[in-house]
Amino acid sequence: DGGITQSPKYLFRKEGQNVTLSCEQNLNHDAMYWYRQDPGQGLRLIYYSQIVNDFQKGDIAEGYSVSREKKESFPLTVTSAQKNPTAFYLCASSIAPPHGYTFGSGTRLTVV
Amino acid sequence: AQTVTQSQPEMSVQEAETVTLSCTYDTSESNYYLFWYKQPPSRQMILVIRQEAYKQQNATENRFSVNFQKAAKSFSLKISDSQLGDTAMYFCAFITREYGNKLVFGAGTILRVKS
Repeated sequence: DGGITQSPKYLFRKEGQNVTLSCEQNLNHDAMYWYRQDPGQGLRLIYYSQIVNDFQKGDIAEGYSVSREKKESFPLTVTSAQKNPTAFYLCASSIAPPHGYTFGSGTRLTVV
Repeated sequence: AQTVTQSQPEMSVQEAETVTLSCTYDTSESNYYLFWYKQPPSRQMILVIRQEAYKQQNATENRFSVNFQKAAKSFSLKISDSQLGDTAMYFCAFITREYGNKLVFGAGTILRVKS
């Protein structure tokens, strides 16, 4: 079955550490996105990529980094520069606008 | 600036009744695409319904329908015959060239269906 796989489902990070969230899709979608979700807020865009080897900052890119070396994969690194990383992270992909996005099941990151 | 506004943080409805969730948005474009997504307690985002702005006919998907008022920039979601499984957070979202063809979300409305 085609879809988006995010791993791990839960992730704990010590302060000062970098962590990488995985996102893999087998939908053959060109575009991929990372969103952050906090309680009481909608989804905010961190980074997006519309083609391999190219990506752009979203609204809240500070403290995060990404790579897009393969069409299927778009990992997100939460660096130690991100001051408040505890959140729910969602990865999505799309064929192209104006189609809606397909979402993964998310990763819950907690700083301990 | 927030460009999608959902004015109802929380709503509740009795099972089998009808409920309407409100959404307004702001864009200067004439062509864009509007969406409602559902996020149940599992937190999986599920596309509920999609509307193209240049189509005047309101979209319908089974028990879900929209009331699209382009001039008023309003895009409400009506859920008929509400079921317990409809309990979820509902997000209104849109895509426009003005915002780089990226999906922009409202803050969401928590809907609770009561038995």
